Amino acid sequence: DAGVTQSPTHLIKTRGQQVTLRCSPKSGHDTVSWYQQALGQGPQFIFQYYEEEERQRGNFPDRFSGHQFPNYSSELNVNALLLGDSALYLCASSLGGGPSYNEQFFGPGTRLTVL
Amino acid sequence: GNSVTQMEGPVTLSEEAFLTINCTYTATGYPSLFWYVQYPGEGLQLLLKATKADDKGSNKGFEATYRKETTSFHLEKGSVQVSDSAVYFCALSGRMNTGFQKLVFGTGTRLLVSP
Repeated sequence: DAGVTQSPTHLIKTRGQQVTLRCSPKSGHDTVSWYQQALGQGPQFIFQYYEEEERQRGNFPDRFSGHQFPNYSSELNVNALLLGDSALYLCASSLGGGPSYNEQFFGPGTRLTVL
Repeated sequence: GNSVTQMEGPVTLSEEAFLTINCTYTATGYPSLFWYVQYPGEGLQLLLKATKADDKGSNKGFEATYRKETTSFHLEKGSVQVSDSAVYFCALSGRMNTGFQKLVFGTGTRLLVSP
């Protein structure tokens, strides 16, 4: 049973560019959440997708956008990259979006470096 | 809003020493509490969890008890090993106004265990 996978593993971009990160959830999961982990910090919630819609968003600007596909995989897009966007981007998948907590399983992350 | 505070690291111990990593939280309602571990170059792995007051989560010799009266969830292990060297994150699940859950993390505590 494949766990959560993310691609690419590493990425180097320059300021002002745009980037797309990809995530495939654990088999059977339908909800994907994205987190940003800056160096030496804990992960910060970006947004969550369920039924192909963004259900909730953290304190991130509109430069951060996403998408969920019918097969539940997801993309995170960041436009007009800033140096401060350099971080490890983590994808987490879970089952269902209801009121009960469902454990989130994390992928290995994509390390984005903005020069 | 919801927040998690955990002790700063690094925590440096010799093999077989006793480990305590403190974690306190602020939350509305009744969150679930978690400890995640992150090994170098990897994503997050759930170490243990507790979903209600007085619950004790345990795994791989680690344990933590959900203390509502002190709003704490301290991580303990009786005898650490070199292989336990990693960054440990305390987290809580908070329900968003959509009814969906998101994780709120502390800043992490690096544990270094020497032979």
